[in-house]
Amino acid sequence: QKEVEQNSGPLSVPEGAIASLNCTYSDRGSQSFFWYRQYSGKSPELIMFIYSNGDKEDGRFTAQLNKASQYVSLLIRDSQPSDSATYLCAVIKGTSYGKLTFGQGTILTVHP
Amino acid sequence: EAGVAQSPRYKIIEKRQSVAFWCNPISGHATLYWYQQILGQGPKLLIQFQNNGVVDDSQLPKDRFSAERLKGVDSTLKIQPAKLEDSAVYLCASSLGGQVSYEQYFGPGTRLTVT
Repeated sequence: QKEVEQNSGPLSVPEGAIASLNCTYSDRGSQSFFWYRQYSGKSPELIMFIYSNGDKEDGRFTAQLNKASQYVSLLIRDSQPSDSATYLCAVIKGTSYGKLTFGQGTILTVHP
Repeated sequence: EAGVAQSPRYKIIEKRQSVAFWCNPISGHATLYWYQQILGQGPKLLIQFQNNGVVDDSQLPKDRFSAERLKGVDSTLKIQPAKLEDSAVYLCASSLGGQVSYEQYFGPGTRLTVT
């Protein structure tokens, strides 16, 4: 079992729709959860982080965390073509001093 | 605020040659990370520094890779000798670290091609 696993892509949604990106993790001691966006040929860019169970909203983005189910998701509302990128889920395990473990990424394409 | 700086941006070398990458983190960030990102995969941590001490190097291939962070600021990552499978993007990231903040900010990366 991979430490961090993301839903296999690519994911294609029409402009204006909600894009749903999912991630599961194996270590119950994980404490911090991050979503990065990576455009082709560019470095990862932090877009959301969440530490507590529940939802966290930032503009069009909502991160959802369910520690009991070891599940974290990212919702993008009103998707735009500029949201087309690879989305990386990353987790910090309880005793790893800030070490990020990344999933393999999900490619999102938003078509006009 | 200036971001994480890396150089060079691109490097092409032949197998068995050596190469070095440089990173300058965001000012005031105590923690520095080097990641390797192979095409189609998420970044993999190679080494993590807290100030100028190593916190985690469990995934660093120590027979060929080395890294240092002198004076707790800039860092260099070296590969000697390079293998074909080292072709990847090498990303440097930094964070305030400790209990202050775990959010990591990435530099532009160095794309290494080993032929």
